Amino acid sequence: DTAVSQTPKYLVTQMGNDKSIKCEQNLGHDTMYWYKQDSKKFLKIMFSYNNKELIINETVPNRFSPKSPDKAHLNLHINSLELGDSAVYFCASSPRSGSPGGETQYFGPGTRLLVL
Amino acid sequence: AQSVTQLDSQVPVFEEAPVELRCNYSSSVSVYLFWYVQYPNQGLQLLLKYLSGSTLVKGINGFEAEFNKSQTSFHLRKPSVHISDTAEYFCAVSANDYKLSFGAGTTVTVRA
Repeated sequence: DTAVSQTPKYLVTQMGNDKSIKCEQNLGHDTMYWYKQDSKKFLKIMFSYNNKELIINETVPNRFSPKSPDKAHLNLHINSLELGDSAVYFCASSPRSGSPGGETQYFGPGTRLLVL
Repeated sequence: AQSVTQLDSQVPVFEEAPVELRCNYSSSVSVYLFWYVQYPNQGLQLLLKYLSGSTLVKGINGFEAEFNKSQTSFHLRKPSVHISDTAEYFCAVSANDYKLSFGAGTTVTVRA
């Protein structure tokens, strides 16, 4: 039983295309996240949703748009893909807790995006 | 804002030897501290975390870490490593929000 799943696992596409990555969690968590891991393995938060409401929106180009149809799903749509978008994108989720910040985040397996 | 510095980018170690991975953080408020591990071609999973209380935290797979507020450090240790501990290790910090800030990672390579 996969806790946090992402599709697709690999994505190879041309510059200028539009693509989406899907994420689903079956843990019953309220909060979901998107992270970008670059070629040097540096991880940076992009977005976070809590119960379908956007709560974190880091300095990310407008070409990236998250969408949360329900609290178990958080998708990432990328318009006009650029070479620099090549990275591994991780989805994560965390449960509600009394003190935000201390929750364990559960990560998906990642989507490896290569823009040619 | 919070930030994390992992002082070692690569740590080669022999099997059954001890290992220590160093992490320093910077914050003007109280923080929560985490160590996550990423095995090759996988997502991250939590090794351990410090929220409050005892400064020595024990995690999975025999790892432990010590929170030192005066030195703003949260170093990770394991007394005897296995080949299967070969992975990327990330120290992370958060304050009273949902934002987790990661260090640059430490690559641990265990050799027989």
